Amino acid sequence: NAGVTQTPKFQVLKTGQSMTLQCAQDMNHNSMYWYRQDPGMGLRLIYYSASEGTTDKGEVPNGYNVSRLNKREFSLRLESAAPSQTSVYFCASKEWGQPQHFGDGTRLSIL
Amino acid sequence: RKEVEQDPGPFNVPEGATVAFNCTYSNSASQSFFWYRQDCRKEPKLLMSVYSSGNEDGRFTAQLNRASQYISLLIRDSKLSDSATYLCVVGGFNAGNMLTFGGGTRLMVKP
Repeated sequence: NAGVTQTPKFQVLKTGQSMTLQCAQDMNHNSMYWYRQDPGMGLRLIYYSASEGTTDKGEVPNGYNVSRLNKREFSLRLESAAPSQTSVYFCASKEWGQPQHFGDGTRLSIL
Repeated sequence: RKEVEQDPGPFNVPEGATVAFNCTYSNSASQSFFWYRQDCRKEPKLLMSVYSSGNEDGRFTAQLNRASQYISLLIRDSKLSDSATYLCVVGGFNAGNMLTFGGGTRLMVKP
């Protein structure tokens, strides 16, 4: 049982490049989330999907887009990467009233 | 005021010590409560849920005081391996099925 799987684990981009971070969960959870975490700081919510077919902005959505492809998959896209988007990105999923399960993160550096 | 507030620490304690962390939350409608543990450069992992009557899991004891909107975590007989950041997490019946994460309390257990 893999839980929450994120790909890639590491990525280096040049400013202006685009890329998509992939996330999939096999726990049949309704809700999925994307966070970023910068050194020494807490988690900040970028976007979330409370259920299949819905997506909403979190605390720091600018520069990102998301797609809830199906119940299992929730992707995060950077259309034009900026150095300020260098961070560790975590995907998570949960069911109502239950704790959240995290993927092991994508470490993204933008030069 | 942050929705979930924690003392960032660090708490530096010797092996074998007992240490307690506190957390306050602002939303009185919150319904679910958790403690997560995050190791350096890793994803947050669920340590334990927190129940109204208080609960214990080995060396870890969690307490909830709804009247004061206060959650605590007690670690007895600290081990070197307990060194990590501990996140206080609160959830409610919000549209996004979201959990709100505190900024974390860093614990360093020394030999």
